[in-house]
Amino acid sequence: NAGVTQTPKFRILKIGQSMTLQCAQDMNHNYMYWYRQDPGMGLKLIYYSVGAGITDKGEVPNGYNVSRSTTEDFPLRLELAAPSQTSVYFCASSVTGGGEKLFFGSGTQLSVL
Amino acid sequence: QKEVEQNSGPLSVPEGAIASLNCTYSDRGSQSFFWYRQYSGKSPELIMFIYSNGDKEDGRFTAQLNKASQYVSLLIRDSQPSDSATYLCAVKGRSGGGADGLTFGKGTHLIIQP
Repeated sequence: NAGVTQTPKFRILKIGQSMTLQCAQDMNHNYMYWYRQDPGMGLKLIYYSVGAGITDKGEVPNGYNVSRSTTEDFPLRLELAAPSQTSVYFCASSVTGGGEKLFFGSGTQLSVL
Repeated sequence: QKEVEQNSGPLSVPEGAIASLNCTYSDRGSQSFFWYRQYSGKSPELIMFIYSNGDKEDGRFTAQLNKASQYVSLLIRDSQPSDSATYLCAVKGRSGGGADGLTFGKGTHLIIQP
């Protein structure tokens, strides 16, 4: 049982490039989330999903897209990367959306130069 | 706009003493409250949650909630150097079963001095 797996762990992008951050969970959780964490800041919700085929915007969705074709996978797509997207990205999952324990992946540190 | 406020610190506490971490929130309808610990370069991990007014104890940790004052705190007794980390306060809004995630504070950096 690996929990929540994120890849890659580190990535450097040039301005204008695109990439996909991968997230997979093997706990059969319906709810999945993408957060970003800037230095010295709390986590801000980018997108979330309540199940396969259902996604919705969080607090800071601009510049990102998501899809959820299976229960296990919840990739985050960055289009036309900008320096403001330099951050650490965390994927998380939970059994329900009622606010109980979030299981986090190990994070992806992204730099856009 | 829901807000969760924490003193960023650093908060320096001698080993063996009680560390007191505080958090206030703006949404009066918030239902659930969480404390996550985050070591440098690592992902957050849940250490405590509280839903009702009063105190909740788990080992060396005590969470305190006062909904009237919109205030949550975390006490760490017999502080150990391994408790040195950033502590994130998180709040779940009134949406109850809604899945819009948690609102996190910026975190308090706690340093336990040996």
